[in-house]
Amino acid sequence: GAVVSQHPSRVICKSGTSVKIECRSLDFQATTMFWYRQFPKQSLMLMATSNEGSKATYEQGVEKDKFLINHASLTLSTLTVTSAHPEDSSFYICSARDPSLGGRDSPLHFGNGTRLTVT
Amino acid sequence: AQTVTQSQPEMSVQEAETVTLSCTYDTSESNYYLFWYKQPPSRQMILVIRQEAYKQQNATENRFSVNFQKAAKSFSLKISDSQLGDTAMYFCAFMKRGSQGNLIFGKGTKLSVKP
Repeated sequence: GAVVSQHPSRVICKSGTSVKIECRSLDFQATTMFWYRQFPKQSLMLMATSNEGSKATYEQGVEKDKFLINHASLTLSTLTVTSAHPEDSSFYICSARDPSLGGRDSPLHFGNGTRLTVT
Repeated sequence: AQTVTQSQPEMSVQEAETVTLSCTYDTSESNYYLFWYKQPPSRQMILVIRQEAYKQQNATENRFSVNFQKAAKSFSLKISDSQLGDTAMYFCAFMKRGSQGNLIFGKGTKLSVKP
């Protein structure tokens, strides 16, 4: 089945630095990928939709200058948390859809997530 | 705006027994999908089951089945013959058809299967 790989699984960074998280579709091409954020004991909240070759679409309340998204190829999307602060500490999960499995409504496949801790 | 409500923060069940997790949702859309995702301690989100709103027949996947009541906007998950590996957070999710991937999640139910 479709596999989505996310790297790193854990990262600790100092306040003020930037961190890049990668999301790769391993055996399919994804023109669209999605980035979610999950606070402890909370549900997943969609942050942004990453579109290959064009600008990402951000959900209301998500700072686009703080969470930079780049979807440079059909298999890779990156999320960069810029000038990270302790309140950015969270679990970030990406997802993608294999269009060959049913088009725009085929199920989403999720990465393993990245635990970001900002000290 | 769509909302998804899971009213049971935590549940437990004995191994081999059956448990039902509740989910209700609110939407004005007529074409949509409903999902149950499982998130074990590894944090990997795993699709358990999917239901198309236009289908009246309840979806089933081995030991997992749903009771989809469209008029009542209810979508419960039944797990039969519970196994220790079923211990996880379970999230109910809504997706408007054609939205590509904007999943609206409930807050989750933590299920513990006890030996």
